[in-house]
Amino acid sequence: DSGVTQTPKHLITATGQRVTLRCSPRSGDLSVYWYQQSLDQGLQFLIQYYNGEERAKGNILERFSAQQFPDLHSELNLSSLELGDSALYFCASSVEGQIGEKLFFGSGTQLSVL
Amino acid sequence: AQSVAQPEDQVNVAEGNPLTVKCTYSVSGNPYLFWYVQYPNRGLQFLLKYITGDNLVKGSYGFEAEFNKSQTSFHLKKPSALVSDSALYFCAVMQDSGYALNFGKGTSLLVTP
Repeated sequence: DSGVTQTPKHLITATGQRVTLRCSPRSGDLSVYWYQQSLDQGLQFLIQYYNGEERAKGNILERFSAQQFPDLHSELNLSSLELGDSALYFCASSVEGQIGEKLFFGSGTQLSVL
Repeated sequence: AQSVAQPEDQVNVAEGNPLTVKCTYSVSGNPYLFWYVQYPNRGLQFLLKYITGDNLVKGSYGFEAEFNKSQTSFHLKKPSALVSDSALYFCAVMQDSGYALNFGKGTSLLVTP
């Protein structure tokens, strides 16, 4: 168990809908990362937060947004969902988001858009 | 941009034999390299990392990796494979700002009895 908690584990929804994925980092970790894993794109970095502030952006679509709250949990919001958004979404955390730190991953949220 | 490449989609090895999973990198500046493993229906687990120092890095579950600057490679190795090592292995390089990881496409390792 990595200590990173993601909910829900599975999510089935329809095209055009909006969903929210939740992540609780390991106790004491200040930095949160979101990744998308799909068969065709592999593991893609979406966005990183550190202590409530956005620190780095990857291949995140404009329909997607995220935030990190004062209690350090994070939410990833996906809107106007398309079939191609079906993927496994991972959250990871690290202590301070500094160079050389390893990331601890949650078990992921499997999103299916029908 | 910092990137890694894993040239093999799948590696097959018999139990007890040595295994190698290949990774090459492309970076500007110093490379910060990682290996992660993903078991079915699980998140990624850290195996080892190279930051600086000894080119041979030892990690979890008997795995090690050799950093080779001249060949820009960071291959994952294990002297004697176990069936339980069968999983998806990802090489990754740390970005030079923000410090998120950029992952390779992964290599599926199958160890047969």
